[in-house]
Amino acid sequence: ETGVTQSPTHLIKTRGQQVTLRCSSQSGHNTVSWYQQALGQGPQFIFQYYREEENGRGNFPPRFSGLQFPNYSSELNVNALELDDSALYLCASSRAVTGAQETQYFGPGTRLLVL
Amino acid sequence: QKEVEQNSGPLSVPEGAIASLNCTYSDRVSQSFFWYRQYSGKSPELIMSIYSNGDKEDGRFTAQLNKASQYVSLLIRDSQPSDSATYLCAVGSGGSYIPTFGRGTSLIVHP
Repeated sequence: ETGVTQSPTHLIKTRGQQVTLRCSSQSGHNTVSWYQQALGQGPQFIFQYYREEENGRGNFPPRFSGLQFPNYSSELNVNALELDDSALYLCASSRAVTGAQETQYFGPGTRLLVL
Repeated sequence: QKEVEQNSGPLSVPEGAIASLNCTYSDRVSQSFFWYRQYSGKSPELIMSIYSNGDKEDGRFTAQLNKASQYVSLLIRDSQPSDSATYLCAVGSGGSYIPTFGRGTSLIVHP
């Protein structure tokens, strides 16, 4: 166990709906990254939050948005869901240190199915 | 566009053999390298991290890094059926806290 938790574990939505996924980072970690992993693919970077601000974004449309709270937990929001949004959504926490890439530890993931 | 390439496999090895998993990357200034194991339906778990050229050993696992060739590998000695999983290579570049993942190599260890 990494100490990173995610909720919910599974979710079924229909096209056009909105979804919020939640992540609690490991104790001592101040950075949260979100990834989308489609079946048979590696994790694709969505965005990263550091000290409550977005610290990088991958090639995802604006309907993917996020937040980080003072306790370093985070939310991923997806609006206007599409069928292709069906995937495993992974949250990874790490401790950002200037000039260094700290190891990321993943939560168990949220499996989203869009019908 | 930073790329991390892995053979998707499956790589099939007999129990007790050495499994060799390979990864190449495109960004020459990459400084940090990670191997994750992912069981079907589960999230990735960290196996090894390596930052300097050469070998790094941890139990049955050895990570090998060659920055000149932009190549990182993972060796699993005395492979066990429980090692059957997808192995993800992740590469971080200098100044970026965001590693790029490969698509993973599926490993099957058969009894």
